[in-house]
Amino acid sequence: QVQLKQSGPGLVQPSQSLSITCTVSGFSLTSYGVHWVRQPPGKGLEWLGVIWSGGSTDYNAAFISRLSISKDNSKSQVFFKMNSLQADDTAIYYCARNKDYGSAMDYWGQGTSVTVSS
Amino acid sequence: QIVLTQSPAIMSASPGEKVTMTCSASSSVSYMHWYQQKSGTSPKRWIYDTSKLASGVPARFSGSGSGTSYSLTISSMEAEDAATYYCQQWSSNPPMTFGGGTKLEIK
Repeated sequence: QVQLKQSGPGLVQPSQSLSITCTVSGFSLTSYGVHWVRQPPGKGLEWLGVIWSGGSTDYNAAFISRLSISKDNSKSQVFFKMNSLQADDTAIYYCARNKDYGSAMDYWGQGTSVTVSS
Repeated sequence: QIVLTQSPAIMSASPGEKVTMTCSASSSVSYMHWYQQKSGTSPKRWIYDTSKLASGVPARFSGSGSGTSYSLTISSMEAEDAATYYCQQWSSNPPMTFGGGTKLEIK
């Protein structure tokens, strides 16, 4: 069955970087895009970016200077990296897949809860 | 970017009651997706392409709309429907945007 499993740190120091890996199963990264979405405590969802099946990326303009998404198709892994984290980056970070530009995200990872604090 | 405004932000309904929540877009969009999220869990695709129910979604749910106005309706509220619902669009250039959510509670 389709699964997206996330791994990454729960605590990040201010000004440091955040790296999360999304390992997928049940489908191929050469056929689906993987998005990253975050949710601050008690707040709504915010789209961060996507890596498409062909390897191209699109980013939320608000994060383009400090966000990078890459993948390894052979290992079924997608890599998320955000630099220069501050307290307001504290959130749950999700990966989610979709098929095509404009389509809904049909499967989501379990989320990675990240706290930015010294 | 297109801004999505959901209303109401919070609402409550009694079992059996009809529920309607709306999502208003700042510019016309081609379709709307809806997600259900319960506390402590990941969002779930609930309604996609404006009116298509995701697998396993009860038939009491429906979606409709066009242009700048979309809605999600529950024909008869059940306790298990209590959750937060988010609308989402990506009809234009990035970014994808979400509405602020409607929290639906059971009376």
